[in-house]
Amino acid sequence: QTVVTQEPSFSVSPGGTVTLTCGLSSGSVSTSYYPSWYQQTPGQAPRTLIYNTNTRSSGVLDRFSGSILGNKAALTITGAQADDESDYYCALFMGSGIWVFGGGTKLTVL
Amino acid sequence: ELQLVESGGGLVQPGGSLRLSCAASGFTFSNSWMHWVRQAPGKGLVWVSNINSDGSSANYADSVKGRFTISRDNAKRTLYLQMNSLRAEDTAVYYCARVDGHACQQWGQGTLVTVSS
Repeated sequence: QTVVTQEPSFSVSPGGTVTLTCGLSSGSVSTSYYPSWYQQTPGQAPRTLIYNTNTRSSGVLDRFSGSILGNKAALTITGAQADDESDYYCALFMGSGIWVFGGGTKLTVL
Repeated sequence: ELQLVESGGGLVQPGGSLRLSCAASGFTFSNSWMHWVRQAPGKGLVWVSNINSDGSSANYADSVKGRFTISRDNAKRTLYLQMNSLRAEDTAVYYCARVDGHACQQWGQGTLVTVSS
């Protein structure tokens, strides 16, 4: 069974840049997996940031960007702010109507 | 304003059943694929199921296949998740989400399902 992998945790300094990744336990992530990214703070519903690899969802600031880096999908946050401190999840379309979420990355801004 | 409102969660005993509902407004529900996604306490998001716009096709995660059934009533603008043979590991907040561009674009606030004796 394919597992979608994410860094369990990451930290970034205020104003800094951080890149979170989303990989596969077997194989490479490509645009064909339509990677999407979601932000979630405790007790809240997820918020959609990026879909189709690099398209920002409505209202999402351009500090958030998506890409393919090597064999993984990536979410880059520039000019990190305190309220970026959240859990970040990626999701991949595996084909045949099946989606899989990664385990999530807990981002700390300090 | 686009809105998704889940309901139907609660406490149920192992082996029991529950039906979740998700009422949609503010968009053309009958044109939208829909997902159910769950999140166990303190854990990550897990995709559960999806259904196409007219309800003719559905997909399920292996963990719920054969126990859960997704359906929709486009006239009532409502998505459902019938959950049978519930297990402790099904305890989670269940979110419905509107799909667009191969992604969940809007999310409901979630409804908590607790499976416990």
